[in-house]
Amino acid sequence: KAGVTQTPRYLIKTRGQQVTLSCSPISGHRSVSWYQQTPGQGLQFLFEYFSETQRNKGNFPGRFSGRQFSNSRSEMNVSTLELGDSALYLCASKGTGTTGYGYTFGSGTRLTVV
Amino acid sequence: SQQGEEDPQALSIQEGENATMNCSYKTSINNLQWYRQNSGRGLVHLILIRSNEREKHSGRLRVTLDTSKKSSSLLITASRAADTASYFCATDGETSGSRLTFGEGTQLTVNP
Repeated sequence: KAGVTQTPRYLIKTRGQQVTLSCSPISGHRSVSWYQQTPGQGLQFLFEYFSETQRNKGNFPGRFSGRQFSNSRSEMNVSTLELGDSALYLCASKGTGTTGYGYTFGSGTRLTVV
Repeated sequence: SQQGEEDPQALSIQEGENATMNCSYKTSINNLQWYRQNSGRGLVHLILIRSNEREKHSGRLRVTLDTSKKSSSLLITASRAADTASYFCATDGETSGSRLTFGEGTQLTVNP
């Protein structure tokens, strides 16, 4: 079965702009989580969505937001981009009834803010 | 902020040798997971160990968990050049809900 698909793979934006990243989870998975990876801060949890509801949120400013659609696809949005938002953004999905199993990650979106 | 620390930060070995990476964490957990990341790409789940387990094996991987010391180790036996990657431990906390808290990672280089 298809894995977690993230689009686009690479993105270059200018400070002050906004950006939307997309994640399609594994078919049947209802939980989608987002992580930011930077050299300085490592891997940090952004938020998790389950059945179109935000179930958990990390410690990021309100410029970072997300949503999930009825087909479980998720988008995250970053407004008023700052240079420090340059990072690899990873999406992960998990099925219900999979306690004891790990998350499946996508290949990520590399965002560069200039 | 990171849950804990991994050591070493970098490890370089020869093919055929064993590689051991350690991870420490701070809070109570439901389980601890190990992931591999090849140069700037996505994370690949390797193995999960529950809080009530002490050791688990999967192929050339062996994971141990000591909840009293809040630490875990990942052993890769008979390493191969293809094992070159960054390895991260991640905890699924009792009180953190459905979120993973990652360690800082160990960069493993296996020389042919």
